[in-house]
Amino acid sequence: DGGITQSPKYLFRKEGQNVTLSCEQNLNHDAMYWYRQDPGQGLRLIYYSQIVNDFQKGDIAEGYSVSREKKESFPLTVTSAQKNPTAFYLCASSTGGNTEAFFGQGTRLTVV
Amino acid sequence: QKEVEQNSGPLSVPEGAIASLNCTYSDRGSQSFFWYRQYSGKSPELIMFIYSNGDKEDGRFTAQLNKASQYVSLLIRDSQPSDSATYLCAGRDNYGQNFVFGPGTRLSVLP
Repeated sequence: DGGITQSPKYLFRKEGQNVTLSCEQNLNHDAMYWYRQDPGQGLRLIYYSQIVNDFQKGDIAEGYSVSREKKESFPLTVTSAQKNPTAFYLCASSTGGNTEAFFGQGTRLTVV
Repeated sequence: QKEVEQNSGPLSVPEGAIASLNCTYSDRGSQSFFWYRQYSGKSPELIMFIYSNGDKEDGRFTAQLNKASQYVSLLIRDSQPSDSATYLCAGRDNYGQNFVFGPGTRLSVLP
C-alpha cells in the first residue's frame, strides 16, 4: 500500500543531543514537508522540499536541519540548538496543484 | 504573512445536530482548501477539499467556499460522538506549493 512512514513513533532526547526523525514515502510525490505541533496548537512548517536536492526553510526552521537526497526520503534532524524540541512532529507529502497533503503517523519527541 | 484563522472552540453540539466550523484566510492567492480531522495523538486525515466557489457535499459533510469573502466552512450533519476531534482548515496557493494551516477547532459531540 502507498503511504508515508515515519519512524520512530516515540523518541526521547537527552539535553545537548542531536536526533534524526525518519520520513519515507512511496507515493511518488515531489513535495515533502515537516510540521511541528504543540499541545492544543495547529501545525507550524519547519522545512519543505519541492524537488530532490532542494529544500527551503519554513516558519520555525531554527534548530532543525533536513536533507533530500532521494525523492522518497526527507529526514529531519533536531539539533541541540533547538531549545524546546518536545512536540509532535508530522511529515507530509503532496503533488502540485490542488491536491491534498498526505500525512505520516507522526513522531512524538520528548526531552528527558 | 499568510494566515488562516479558525475559532479555537471547543464547539459542543448534541448528537444528531449540525456542527458548523468556520475558517477565514488572508491570502487571496489561495486556490484550494482542505478540511482535516485530527483525533488526539493521531495525524490529520483529509475530510473534504474544495477549490470552486459554492458548496460541495460528501455524505454527512458539506464544504462551502466564498472566495470574495475569503471564507471556508464545513458543515457536519447528524453529528456523531465519533466526530469529536479537532478540525484543521488549510489553504494552498495557486503555485501549488505550501499549505497554510489554521489552529484548529475542537468539536465535542455530546451523546
